[in-house]
Amino acid sequence: SQQGEEDPQALSIQEGENATMNCSYKTSINNLQWYRQNSGRGLVHLILIRSNEREKHSGRLRVTLDTSKKSSSLLITASRAADTASYFCATPTGGGNKLTFGTGTQLKVEL
Amino acid sequence: EPEVTQTPSHQVTQMGQEVILRCVPISNHLYFYWYRQILGQKVEFLVSFYNNEISEKSEIFDDQFSVERPDGSNFTLKIRSTKLEDSAMYFCASVRRVAEAQETQYFGPGTRLLVL
Repeated sequence: SQQGEEDPQALSIQEGENATMNCSYKTSINNLQWYRQNSGRGLVHLILIRSNEREKHSGRLRVTLDTSKKSSSLLITASRAADTASYFCATPTGGGNKLTFGTGTQLKVEL
Repeated sequence: EPEVTQTPSHQVTQMGQEVILRCVPISNHLYFYWYRQILGQKVEFLVSFYNNEISEKSEIFDDQFSVERPDGSNFTLKIRSTKLEDSAMYFCASVRRVAEAQETQYFGPGTRLLVL
């Protein structure tokens, strides 16, 4: 698998439900970042979790990181139609900390 | 809140033409990046830039590509002779510093390039 692979690739839920997306990576990391992308638009940074953190919250977002399993999850609680977007995990690598992105999860929240 | 800006938002060009994509990073940021995203695919790193020189580049970033910071605020990506496969969304990003690798990269809204 590649550095940063999300699953599921696509997720469809009803408004008000929780959405959970997972990300796996291969190499050791200093942090892991989650981004959101509305269709055909730019990347919006959601949250950064450091390698020494296990869980982090921001509003309706909850991110966990398990460095022993090289995996992270993003939970969106009480989803809204406006949460419909693609969600990517990304990890910095190399001296210049370029980001390596995962393949993304397409989330669709239906009314 | 400061943000990364990019111009133009859309660009259509003929194959073989030169294009210049422009970015204005956040003002106190020191590292700059270009990424691209071919439609339906993942975001890919192209090049990083620090202290007026390229610090890292990917295999995609061949001799047809160049970057420049001409005036201390703009950061440009030039494609000398565009190919059909250069059609993609191009994102600029900046970060304040990379020490300790704990900084968030902020992305611009992207330039959608279509090569005909």
